Amino acid sequence: GAGVSQSPRYKVAKRGQDVALRCDPISGHVSLFWYQQALGQGPEFLTYFQNEAQLDKSGLPSDRFFAERPEGSVSTLKIQRTQQEDSAVYLCASSLLGRQGGNTIYFGEGSWLTVV
Amino acid sequence: GENVEQHPSTLSVQEGDSAVIKCTYSDSASNYFPWYKQELGKGPQLIIDIRSNVGEKKDQRIAVTLNKTAKHFSLHITETQPEDSAVYFCAAKGQAGTALIFGKGTTLSVSS
Repeated sequence: GAGVSQSPRYKVAKRGQDVALRCDPISGHVSLFWYQQALGQGPEFLTYFQNEAQLDKSGLPSDRFFAERPEGSVSTLKIQRTQQEDSAVYLCASSLLGRQGGNTIYFGEGSWLTVV
Repeated sequence: GENVEQHPSTLSVQEGDSAVIKCTYSDSASNYFPWYKQELGKGPQLIIDIRSNVGEKKDQRIAVTLNKTAKHFSLHITETQPEDSAVYFCAAKGQAGTALIFGKGTTLSVSS
């Protein structure tokens, strides 16, 4: 597609429920990033994929967060046993080259998660 | 790791005035500095970026300057328009790192 596509755009989950957020990066983009953006804050890094390899997951806040990109294209961010503090916008981004390249990173519109 | 500070947090200007947003970074190895504009309910949109081998870059009403020695970079918007109203984020990417590190954002309001 023309841009990074994320679904669902909005998700309301009950505390304790598992959620899965999907990201379709720009076709052919090697790098894929997940960010978490709390209300009124800047995006904070969660994890990074180069093709299907998850090279950096240092930003994942707990072991309830899990991400995958099994075929090097679509990625899913899964949050198990959601808590209220997980409420945020989850942004996916992609770039054409691998991590050593200072290349443009494009963001999707985000998935807005509210945990009640 | 990299740390990015952004000022001011809010900025109000009259239509036609200039707006300047400043950021500092901590990692001297950082080499890529983009600026993003985020409107309510949307994802960040890249508006301009600069790499460490360049001191200034312009694109119509928008310019970015980089001072590597002082480790700071700035966004300049001239002839502001109401549609420039949004939250602006600066970011820095380290040479060996994988991720952009963002500032906390500046809410720009342009009144007509």
